[in-house]
Amino acid sequence: AQSVAQPEDQVNVAEGNPLTVKCTYSVSGNPYLFWYVQYPNRGLQFLLKYITGDNLVKGSYGFEAEFNKSQTSFHLKKPSALVSDSALYFCAVRDGNYGQNFVFGPGTRLSVLP
Amino acid sequence: DAGITQSPRHKVTETGTPVTLRCHQTENHRYMYWYRQDPGHGLRLIHYSYGVKDTDKGEVSDGYSVSRSKTEDFLLTLESATSSQTSVYFCAISSSTGSVTDTQYFGPGTRLTVL
Repeated sequence: AQSVAQPEDQVNVAEGNPLTVKCTYSVSGNPYLFWYVQYPNRGLQFLLKYITGDNLVKGSYGFEAEFNKSQTSFHLKKPSALVSDSALYFCAVRDGNYGQNFVFGPGTRLSVLP
Repeated sequence: DAGITQSPRHKVTETGTPVTLRCHQTENHRYMYWYRQDPGHGLRLIHYSYGVKDTDKGEVSDGYSVSRSKTEDFLLTLESATSSQTSVYFCAISSSTGSVTDTQYFGPGTRLTVL
């Protein structure tokens, strides 16, 4: 069965500094990886996804993520954090062998301090 | 929120009462999903639908049923609500191909409290 881990419950970073939100996964088939962001009292918004090809994926709002097959990781990054990036971030994986089952990590709360 | 509405947005009910949550989409997407969000668990799939009258169970389906009589509407029913079903419920949709590479888009959520 597939699983996703987000090892940090909380990440704090100063505005203007680079940020990284970590995600590792476990699947039996090909991994299809997604990042979502959730602002308070809102639904999840799609940021980016990795399907195949280039290991560096660029997404919305200046975010990017790097797929590393050997480390089974898909870390979310941004070169310069904004206070408005403060939110809850979810990594999710779909296993190519399991169809519609979309497995989410527990979430990481990002706080960008002014 | 990608043409998805959920109703009600907030509901407080008592243990043992039936509850129905509605998800409505204007995107004409084939696939619709119901998730629940609980602290420390992320989102977990309850049920999903791949067409009118076509549904299947997800990871945490016990105590829940669903129905889809029209493409645009997907209903989640708690036949007899329990306190363990207190949660935030999200509906999601994805495009018609059903491919594992499809992105899911989420509604605004319904906060349900069972007393």
